[in-house]
Amino acid sequence: AQKVTQAQTEISVVEKEDVTLDCVYETRDTTYYLFWYKQPPSGELVFLIRRNSFDEQNEISGRYSWNFQKSTSSFNFTITASQVVDSAVYFCALSEAGNQGGKLIFGQGTELSVKP
Amino acid sequence: GAVVSQHPSRVICKSGTSVKIECRSLDFQATTMFWYRQFPKQSLMLMATSNEGSKATYEQGVEKDKFLINHASLTLSTLTVTSAHPEDSSFYICSARRGGGRGYEQYFGPGTRLTVT
Repeated sequence: AQKVTQAQTEISVVEKEDVTLDCVYETRDTTYYLFWYKQPPSGELVFLIRRNSFDEQNEISGRYSWNFQKSTSSFNFTITASQVVDSAVYFCALSEAGNQGGKLIFGQGTELSVKP
Repeated sequence: GAVVSQHPSRVICKSGTSVKIECRSLDFQATTMFWYRQFPKQSLMLMATSNEGSKATYEQGVEKDKFLINHASLTLSTLTVTSAHPEDSSFYICSARRGGGRGYEQYFGPGTRLTVT
């Protein structure tokens, strides 16, 4: 069965600190997709990244970076030099291919609070 | 990027009444739309998958007679909460999956906050 675990419920950092949000997933499929979304207080989900299971290259986008390791079934997200605007709930999600394609299984979310 | 809208953004209704939430893909055709529900401080849980022109597929534990889904066109899916009760108060979010060769990209609407009094 598919499952996404975000063990960190809440994280609080001071501005300019680096912070890593952990994500561990379970799936039996060999083809799958992993996502990170940001949910600010307004509630609207903001897409951050999508990664397919065949692409283990790490990705950097500005202050954001992602580390995908199939050996440990992890897809961790790091924010460098955090800012107050980064405060939000962050969700990791898994989508399998085939007949279940598109259906997202979300982790429990990590609430990040960045204090000035 | 692709835009998905939801209407209304907020709705308050009395217990026992029904409320309809619309999800529209504004600039692409969505063969598949998904409906999620999010309770406060919790994650998003998939309620159902809606395919244009066919019956929706509901997740285990979701009452199909209570949450009616209609995907009448490639740009519109509706969720009707029938005989709403206070425990149905939640944040309802839809997403639309673009058809064609774009893989499994899906785009989320801004959500509808339902309060049942």
